[in-house]
Amino acid sequence: DIQMTQSPSSLSASVGDRVTVTCRASQSIGTYLNWYQQKPGKAPELLIYAASNLQSGVPSRFSGSGSGTDFTLTITSLQPEDFATYYCQQSHTVPPYTFGQGTKLEIK
Amino acid sequence: QVQLVESGGGVVQPGRSLRLSCAASGFNFRSYGMLWVRQAPGKGLEWVAYIWFDGTYKYYADSVKGRSTISRDDPNNMVYLQMDSLRDDDTAMYYCVRSNRGQCGSGSCSSEDFDYWGQGTLVTVSS
Repeated sequence: DIQMTQSPSSLSASVGDRVTVTCRASQSIGTYLNWYQQKPGKAPELLIYAASNLQSGVPSRFSGSGSGTDFTLTITSLQPEDFATYYCQQSHTVPPYTFGQGTKLEIK
Repeated sequence: QVQLVESGGGVVQPGRSLRLSCAASGFNFRSYGMLWVRQAPGKGLEWVAYIWFDGTYKYYADSVKGRSTISRDDPNNMVYLQMDSLRDDDTAMYYCVRSNRGQCGSGSCSSEDFDYWGQGTLVTVSS
């Protein structure tokens, strides 16, 4: 099974900051990597698919990059509504579909 | 608009069974694979089960394999998760999710993501 490891597990930042979350796969997954955002008490929502494609309706301050085993989610100019937990997920070698453990982005 | 509405959760004793239901609307249900993802309280996301768009293949996480069955009813746009021999560690919010595949050909697709999620149904296993 492919393991997904995110770093950091938590992150404190301020409104207006630029933040980067990293996701590493235990083996190469090409660009079969998706990012989700989950706000407290809500279902996750798709942010980025296929490593770098912005889902419809997602603000352009979100971006994704990477291929192979190393991926990043970047948020430029953090907004109050961006404070949430972010998950990466691979769909290269399935089953199982595996998620990272999550990165909680908190207000500093 | 795409909607996924789960039901069937509740409090159940260990060893008992439960069937979760998901009503889908707003899209061509027969064209999409469907899956269940769960989240234990305060924990991360865990994929549970997946059913192909035509029901040909079904996949299960090791944690539920042999105890759970995913199925679909295409005329009624429903997907189900039958869970048997429930354990304490099955306690979680269960989400019904649509699988979206990119361009497919020669047995593979360019991408696959989970583009729509229901609001979830809570399953609590407790004596």
